[in-house]
This record gives sequence, C-alpha cells and structure tokens, in this order.
Amino acid sequence: AQKVTQAQTEISVVEKEDVTLDCVYETRDTTYYLFWYKQPPSGELVFLIRRNSFDEQNEISGRYSWNFQKSTSSFNFTITASQVVDSAVYFCALSEARTGANNLFFGTGTRLTVIP
Amino acid sequence: EPEVTQTPSHQVTQMGQEVILRCVPISNHLYFYWYRQILGQKVEFLVSFYNNEISEKSEIFDDQFSVERPDGSNFTLKIRSTKLEDSAMYFCASRGRGGTDTQYFGPGTRLTVL
Repeated sequence: AQKVTQAQTEISVVEKEDVTLDCVYETRDTTYYLFWYKQPPSGELVFLIRRNSFDEQNEISGRYSWNFQKSTSSFNFTITASQVVDSAVYFCALSEARTGANNLFFGTGTRLTVIP
Repeated sequence: EPEVTQTPSHQVTQMGQEVILRCVPISNHLYFYWYRQILGQKVEFLVSFYNNEISEKSEIFDDQFSVERPDGSNFTLKIRSTKLEDSAMYFCASRGRGGTDTQYFGPGTRLTVL
C-alpha cells in the first residue's frame, strides 16, 4: 500500500535560516509521481512541484530546491534563506500510475514557522 | 491563469441536512477529484471522476456521498444526511489527460455541521 511519511510535525526557524522538510514514501508501483503542496494560513493548497519516478534529477526554483532519491525513497524539500511568508503547512504527496486516476495520497504535513 | 473555483467558501448546516458543494474545474481538464481535510489533519482523498463516472473512491466515500457533473462546467459533491464528523474543508481538484499532469486545487469549502 502507498504511504507518505512526514516525520517532522512542526519546525521553527529564524528568518534567513535554511530549512529542510523531509518526506519518505512507500509504493509498490514502478511509475509514480511525487508532489509538494503548500498550505498557507489562508487554507488553500498551492502546488509547488511534481517529480516523476523516472526522473531523479534534483530541481531548484529560486529559494526552493528538492532532492529526490529513489534509493532511500525520499523527496526532501529545502528552503534557502527562509522568509516569514514561507510560514505554512507543507504537504508531500504521492500518486501511483496504476490507479489510473492518479489520486493523491498526502502525508500528515509539516508546519513551518519562520520567526522574524 | 485558469483556476479551480469552489462555492460556497463556507457552509453551515444542521446535522441530518443535505448539502451540495460546488466546483468549477479548469475548463480543459478531464479528471476531477474531491478531497477533505478535517481541521488540523492531513488531506484525504474521497473520490475521482472521469468520463462521467466515478473512477475511484475511498472508504470514506460511503453511500451518504455522491458526485455529479450536471453540465459541462460544474462538478458537485452531495452529502445526503450530514453528520458532525463531516465538518471539514472540502477541496475540489482537476487535472488534464496525461498521467503526469498535476492536480490543481480549488480554494476549498469549509463545511460546519452543527
């Protein structure tokens, strides 16, 4: 069965510090997709990134970077030089190609608080 | 930029009443979803819908729930007889045809059952 684990429930950092949010997943599917979503205090779910299982290349987008490692089933998310606006709950999610509809299975989220 | 919209933003209802939550997915998308998030918890999959029928549903999606695409734009979630534990944020999402396409979420409807 598929599973997404975000072991860090809450993290607090001081502004401008770097922070890494961990995500470990389980799946029996050989083709799957990994996602990160941000949920700010306003409540909406904001898509950040998608990674396909066949593409282990890491990605950087501004202050955000993602480290996908199939060998450890991890898809970690790093925010460099954190800002107060980064304060939110961050969800890692997995979808499996075999389900057809590619439903998302979410982790329990990590609440990031950036202290000014 | 196209986006998923949901109405209402907040719905308050009495236990046992029927509610209909409405969503307008992104216009050229083919897959539609409902998820729910009980306050402070993770987002949980309810149901997916494709080609005018349910493609998958979770165990949460019991006989009290139904979905419909009554016209070419709306996608609705109906809860026939609401229970206190149905209080949650309900998110609609849609995606395009390809398996690699991303699901985009609406802003959510907060349902409060009294």
